[in-house]
Amino acid sequence: GENVEQHPSTLSVQEGDSAVIKCTYSDSASNYFPWYKQELGKRPQLIIDIRSNVGEKKDQRIAVTLNKTAKHFSLHITETQPEDSAVYFCAASILGGFQKLVFGTGTRLLVSP
Amino acid sequence: ETGVTQSPTHLIKTRGQQVTLRCSSQSGHNTVSWYQQALGQGPQFIFQYYREEENGRGNFPPRFSGLQFPNYSSELNVNALELDDSALYLCASSLAGGYGYTFGSGTRLTVV
Repeated sequence: GENVEQHPSTLSVQEGDSAVIKCTYSDSASNYFPWYKQELGKRPQLIIDIRSNVGEKKDQRIAVTLNKTAKHFSLHITETQPEDSAVYFCAASILGGFQKLVFGTGTRLLVSP
Repeated sequence: ETGVTQSPTHLIKTRGQQVTLRCSSQSGHNTVSWYQQALGQGPQFIFQYYREEENGRGNFPPRFSGLQFPNYSSELNVNALELDDSALYLCASSLAGGYGYTFGSGTRLTVV
């Protein structure tokens, strides 16, 4: 079955710096890669996603890149702000079929003012 | 458009007891998935319901069971609770095929 590895487990940056979180997946059939932000005690919120027919997607300060050959995908946050502090999860699944999200282990991002 | 709602928000149970958690799917969504999120971990897939049938299951024992009703709402039942069942239980609804996946706020279950 699918396995998703996520690094780093914690990431501390200064406000205004960039942050990068990396994930690797194992199942080449996976074609959908969402990223979730989870604040303490709250639900995971979808912040950006990418499908396997696209190599990069950007939404304001957030971007995701996908390398299908290497089975890697990454989240890039530019100009970080203290409100970006949260736990970020990557996930992988197969859209259009049986939909089961396989999550990474999470990255705790701390943005210091 | 209403989102995914779960009840109760918090629950404390004793080891060996049984618990039922409830989820109302987002308007228009016909598929419900349940996840268990232990403290400091990513959500783990329990099972998914579509057209009132379980159509996929993760690595959870049979004492984890569920139902889906004609209005697409769903229940998660856990029998013979164990201490390790303490977690945040998340429900997610979507359209068939996984489009529009949306999580509820979860039920925090504590087993003592």
